[in-house]
Amino acid sequence: GESVGLHLPTLSVQEGDNSIINCAYSNSASDYFIWYKQESGKGPQFIIDIRSNMDKRQGQRVTVLLNKTVKHLSLQIAATQPGDSAVYFCAETRDYNQGGKLIFGQGTELSVKP
Amino acid sequence: DAGVTQSPTHLIKTRGQQVTLRCSPKSGHDTVSWYQQALGQGPQFIFQYYEEEERQRGNFPDRFSGHQFPNYSSELNVNALLLGDSALYLCASSPGTGAGGQYFGPGTRLTVT
Repeated sequence: GESVGLHLPTLSVQEGDNSIINCAYSNSASDYFIWYKQESGKGPQFIIDIRSNMDKRQGQRVTVLLNKTVKHLSLQIAATQPGDSAVYFCAETRDYNQGGKLIFGQGTELSVKP
Repeated sequence: DAGVTQSPTHLIKTRGQQVTLRCSPKSGHDTVSWYQQALGQGPQFIFQYYEEEERQRGNFPDRFSGHQFPNYSSELNVNALLLGDSALYLCASSPGTGAGGQYFGPGTRLTVT
């Protein structure tokens, strides 16, 4: 069936270093991939999305890379800060612009050491 | 601009009881989706409401039902609660057409004892 999974359940980085969070997906029909950040006690917060016809998109301190050949998605966070500590989820969807359902992976917990 | 709001924040119910959770979408959004998030897991899609009708449904039993009101707010009802229904219930809103993106509320933590 459809699934989105993450390679690493936990990631610990030093403050100021770059972080890379990886994700594998299995549904080739998805038209968008999205990264969410979830802090303890809060709902998921949108970080960045990428359309399936792109391979890279940059935001503020974040970059998402999409490799459709191997069905792999990654989130790069530059100069990681303590406030980046959270659980990160990748999600995939079809019919993004019609609010299509999101299929989430299990999540990666990012811990930033001062 | 208020974001997505949900109530209550927490609640505790007993097995077999019924529960109603509420959600108000972000201003300008007319589509509401509900997700269940078990501890340590990613959210799982329950269903979505648009124009007061269920538009999509995930793999959840009929014990889970919902409603959308003319002001776009929504309710999630769960009947005959099971211990396994204990989870964080998230509401997400989005524009029905046009620019995509779902924005989540803080969730309701449901504990079934």
